[in-house]
Amino acid sequence: GQQVMQIPQYQHVQEGEDFTTYCNSSTTLSNIQWYKQRPGGHPVFLIQLVKSGEVKKQKRLTFQFGEAKKNSSLHITATQTTDVGTYFCAGPLLNRDDKIIFGKGTRLHILP
Amino acid sequence: KAGVTQTPRYLIKTRGQQVTLSCSPISGHRSVSWYQQTPGQGLQFLFEYFSETQRNKGNFPGRFSGRQFSNSRSEMNVSTLELGDSALYLCASSLTGLGRVIGHPYEQYFGPGTRLTVT
Repeated sequence: GQQVMQIPQYQHVQEGEDFTTYCNSSTTLSNIQWYKQRPGGHPVFLIQLVKSGEVKKQKRLTFQFGEAKKNSSLHITATQTTDVGTYFCAGPLLNRDDKIIFGKGTRLHILP
Repeated sequence: KAGVTQTPRYLIKTRGQQVTLSCSPISGHRSVSWYQQTPGQGLQFLFEYFSETQRNKGNFPGRFSGRQFSNSRSEMNVSTLELGDSALYLCASSLTGLGRVIGHPYEQYFGPGTRLTVT
């Protein structure tokens, strides 16, 4: 079946270093969403990308959607302790924009 | 504007029992989606309700059911609980609902979740 894979599963970075998580789908996605979940918290919607090759920025966060709309990345510049959490990507099932599957997430740890 | 609320926040049940979880969406939102989150399987879509109608259901057995009321509040029911049903159950509300406008941006707001433990 359709899968959304995320790598890496875990990432430890020194505060101030950059961080990137990658999301790969086995099939073309009509759109991709990114969420952040703090430890003990609930997922918080960050952004949705719709267009092929789209790049969006939110302060230190840069989101990209691949040209083939099968992969995406989230890059954080100069990480801060507030960036700690798990970052999930999610996409709709093929030809079913009304169902969504999530990647397993990348858990980011920041070393002070 | 108040966020999504879920009750109860924590619940302990024994195998074979049933449980009902409640979700109140953001005022004005007509779509409520339910998810199960476990360390092993991650976040999995259960179903979505829009205007009191179940629009879609994920790959979960029939023991998992739900409904939505005219005020958009939603309940999820799990019957004949199994140990593997222990999880964080999250609901999310949105204005337009999943896929309501194909390809158009929408935002999903999650509630704090209900932590269900089955013993």
